[in-house]
Amino acid sequence: QSVLTQPPSVSGAPGQRVTISCTGSSSNIGAGYDVHWYQHLPGTAPKLLIYANSNRPSGVPDRFSGSKSGTSASLAITGLQTEDEADYYCQSYDTSLSGSVFGGGTKLTVL
Amino acid sequence: QEQLVQSGAEVKKAGASVKVSCKASGYTFTGYYMHWVRQAPGQGLKWMGWINPNSGGTNFARNFQGRVTMTRDTSISTAYMELSRLTSDDTAIYYCATAGDVVAAMDIWGQGTTVTVSS
Repeated sequence: QSVLTQPPSVSGAPGQRVTISCTGSSSNIGAGYDVHWYQHLPGTAPKLLIYANSNRPSGVPDRFSGSKSGTSASLAITGLQTEDEADYYCQSYDTSLSGSVFGGGTKLTVL
Repeated sequence: QEQLVQSGAEVKKAGASVKVSCKASGYTFTGYYMHWVRQAPGQGLKWMGWINPNSGGTNFARNFQGRVTMTRDTSISTAYMELSRLTSDDTAIYYCATAGDVVAAMDIWGQGTTVTVSS
C-alpha cells in the first residue's frame, strides 16, 4: 500500500482529456511538499513530466499540466495521443517517513 | 548533456549481495543528490534512499535500512548501491536518479539495472 494513492488505471480516446489523481496526507502533500509526476514506458527509464506541482521541464508538451490542492494533486493530459499510453507516478516527500514516496502508479490506456 | 550510465544486469543467489554502479557525466556530480529507486516485476516505483555525493551522507527508506549501503567515488563521478541478504523479492530493475535536493524532482535517470535473484 502506497502512502500516495493513485487510481490503478484510467483510459480515454484519442483527443480526449484525462486526469490522474494523487491523494496524500498531512505528512506529505498536505504538509506543503511539492508533488512531481513521472511518465514510465515499459523497458525505459522514468521521465520527469511535471515538477513542483505544476512546472513542465523543457521539452514536455503543454498538453500535460499539474495542480495541487490541500492533500491532493492531479495530472491532466489533454489531446490524448496513442504515445501517451504509459504508467504515470506521482512523488513527494513524507515527513513522518523522512524520505521520498511514490504513488502506486496509474496505467493510462488510450482507446 | 547530463547522463547517468548504470552497470549491467546481475544474477545473484539468494543470500548474496549485489552492487550496482551509476556513472554521472555532463554535470557537477557533487552538486546533486543521487536517489535509488527500484521496480519489482508487476509493481510500481519504490524509493530506496539517497546519497549526498558531496558529503557522503545517506538516508534510506525504512524497508531497506540495515541491508542497503550507498557510497560514491567523487574522483570518477560514480555512485554505488549495494544490497545485501538478497531474496527473490529483491528481483527488480534498479534505477539511479539525480535531484537538486532531498525533496526536489528526480530529473535525470539512469537506464536501469536488472537484478535477478535465484534460489
